[in-house]
Amino acid sequence: GAVVSQHPSRVICKSGTSVKIECRSLDFQATTMFWYRQFPKQSLMLMATSNEGSKATYEQGVEKDKFLINHASLTLSTLTVTSAHPEDSSFYICSAREGGGGETQYFGPGTRLLVL
Amino acid sequence: GQNIDQPTEMTATEGAIVQINCTYQTSGFNGLFWYQQHAGEAPTFLSYNVLDGLEEKGRFSSFLSRSKGYSYLLLKELQMKDSASYLCAGMDSNYQLIWGAGTKLIIKP
Repeated sequence: GAVVSQHPSRVICKSGTSVKIECRSLDFQATTMFWYRQFPKQSLMLMATSNEGSKATYEQGVEKDKFLINHASLTLSTLTVTSAHPEDSSFYICSAREGGGGETQYFGPGTRLLVL
Repeated sequence: GQNIDQPTEMTATEGAIVQINCTYQTSGFNGLFWYQQHAGEAPTFLSYNVLDGLEEKGRFSSFLSRSKGYSYLLLKELQMKDSASYLCAGMDSNYQLIWGAGTKLIIKP
C-alpha cells in the first residue's frame, strides 16, 4: 500500500510557540491531503482539506489563521499550529490520496503535540 | 444530514468470529471504507466496498448493501492483536469521508 510519513512524531513545546508538522507521501503523488485531529478516546475530526497549489478548505470551527496549511507540492503538506496553547494538545494525523476522486486515503503515523 | 452509526464497543473471544455493523446516510455515495486504529496510532486501511456484496481479504471480510445503507466488517479467527478500534467511513458525492465514531473491539483470551 501507499506510504505516508509525518514528522515529527512527537513534540513538546511551550505555550505561545509555533509548531510545524510535515506530511509526505513517499511513493505516490498526493493531489489531496487531509489534516485530522483526535483527542483521547474520541473520533477523528477533520480539520481541513488541501489540494496541491490551492488554498486549504477548513471545516467549520477550525481557525484558519491558527492552523496554517501549505500544500506546496504533490508530495508535501505542512500544518503549522501558531501560538499554540495547552488546549491545542492533541494527536494530529494527516492522510493523503492520489487523485481527487474516490481513491483510498492513506494515513501518516500521526504527531502527538503537547503544549505546556 | 450525513451520519455514520456503529456500536461503541464490542467484546469477543480469541479464536472466535465477530461482526461489526455500520449504517450510513450520506449525500450521494462513492463507497464505504473500514479502517483499523490501534490505541495511540493512526488508522490503517482495511477495506473499500462500492458494489453490493462481500469482499474477502484473509481473515477480514467486508460486506455492503447499498439499498439498506448498511455494511459490516467480519473478523474471523480472532487474535489478541485484533484488539483495536474499527472505523467505518462513507464517501459522499464530493468524495469526502464521513467518519463514524469507531467501534472499540476487546478480545479476551
